[in-house]
Amino acid sequence: QQPVQSPQAVILREGEDAVINCSSSKALYSVHWYRQKHGEAPVFLMILLKGGEQKGHDKISASFNEKKQQSSLYLTASQLSYSGTYFCGTETNDKLIFGTGTRLQVFP
Amino acid sequence: DVKVTQSSRYLVKRTGEKVFLECVQDMDHENMFWYRQDPGLGLRLIYFSYDVKMKEKGDIPEGYSVSREKKERFSLILESASTNQTSMYLCASSFRGGRAQEQYFGPGTRLTVT
Repeated sequence: QQPVQSPQAVILREGEDAVINCSSSKALYSVHWYRQKHGEAPVFLMILLKGGEQKGHDKISASFNEKKQQSSLYLTASQLSYSGTYFCGTETNDKLIFGTGTRLQVFP
Repeated sequence: DVKVTQSSRYLVKRTGEKVFLECVQDMDHENMFWYRQDPGLGLRLIYFSYDVKMKEKGDIPEGYSVSREKKERFSLILESASTNQTSMYLCASSFRGGRAQEQYFGPGTRLTVT
């Protein structure tokens, strides 16, 4: 079953912060985050492992709550280049089940 | 620089045609994947392969088959294309490491079936 992402869409001004959530009904071993810019292929951002620490990628960081079976992606001081659709992927037997995506738009 | 290429960016086919989508990776990855991307539904796994001639069904395999004769190449086959298979198709590859690894995606093929 696909993980559920929320919100479905976010509109921001440059410099504002955003949080994207990913929840699963199944126990999570790891959560992967990808970003897809318009017209481009999805690109890997980070992996969060069970029992691992919070990770960061520039001003984008993420957390993983194993008990709640959810992960959150934090975008701080957003830049125009952050615009795109963000997908979380939950691990099942060496493959990923991706969520439905969160569309993020950053305006000047 | 890692690279996953797909044979076509855009493809238009007629209902009932047999359609081949090709994917090639140059990273010596063991795993290869085919996804379908539709608005509001995210990325859905059709098939994946963890070795030459090996394949496993994903979440939506109906109407599709795959072929992996060489490590670097993974083909998706629509035996008899239907209009509900109009979609964006993405190929990806990764190392096989016992846990899910970072996936590298191709640019996608937008298929229209008329």
